Amino acid sequence: NAGVTQTPKFRILKIGQSMTLQCTQDMNHNYMYWYRQDPGMGLKLIYYSVGAGITDKGEVPNGYNVSRSTTEDFPLRLELAAPSQTSVYFCASKAGPQETQYFGPGTRLLVL
Amino acid sequence: EDKVVQSPLSLVVHEGDTVTLNCSYEVTNFRSLLWYKQEKKAPTFLFMLTSSGIEKKSGRLSSILDKKELFSILNITATQTGDSAIYLCAAPNAGGTSYGKLTFGQGTILTVHP
Repeated sequence: NAGVTQTPKFRILKIGQSMTLQCTQDMNHNYMYWYRQDPGMGLKLIYYSVGAGITDKGEVPNGYNVSRSTTEDFPLRLELAAPSQTSVYFCASKAGPQETQYFGPGTRLLVL
Repeated sequence: EDKVVQSPLSLVVHEGDTVTLNCSYEVTNFRSLLWYKQEKKAPTFLFMLTSSGIEKKSGRLSSILDKKELFSILNITATQTGDSAIYLCAAPNAGGTSYGKLTFGQGTILTVHP
């Protein structure tokens, strides 16, 4: 049981490039979340999903897109990378609305 | 807009000291408050508090919630260098849904010196 896994662990992007951050969970959780964490700012919610085929915006969705075609996977897409998207990205999942969120190990992204 | 504020933002202590971390919140339709510990990577869950005045304990860590004052504290006694981490406080957003979107505080960076 791997829990929540994220790839890649680290990536450097040039301004304007695109990439997809992968997130997979093997716990059959319906709820999945993408956060970004900037120094001294806590975690900010980017997008979330309450089940396959259902996604919605969080606090800071601009510049990102998501999809949820399966229960296991919740990829986060950056179309035109900007320096402001330099951050650490965490994916999380949980079984139900009252349950604890489990976090993946994070992806560190540097946009130059 | 829901808000969670933590203090202090950083704290440096020596092994054996006792520390108290603070978290205040303003959350519509409050349900629970969560504490996480974040070391080098992902946050790991510590406590979920739902009832006022009931202390949750796990070893040297304990936490309590005051729903009247909209406040929670996390206590760590006899600190060890392994307690060095960022401690995050979070509250689920409400608004008639149960999607559990968390609003996080800024975090408290705790450094424990030998």
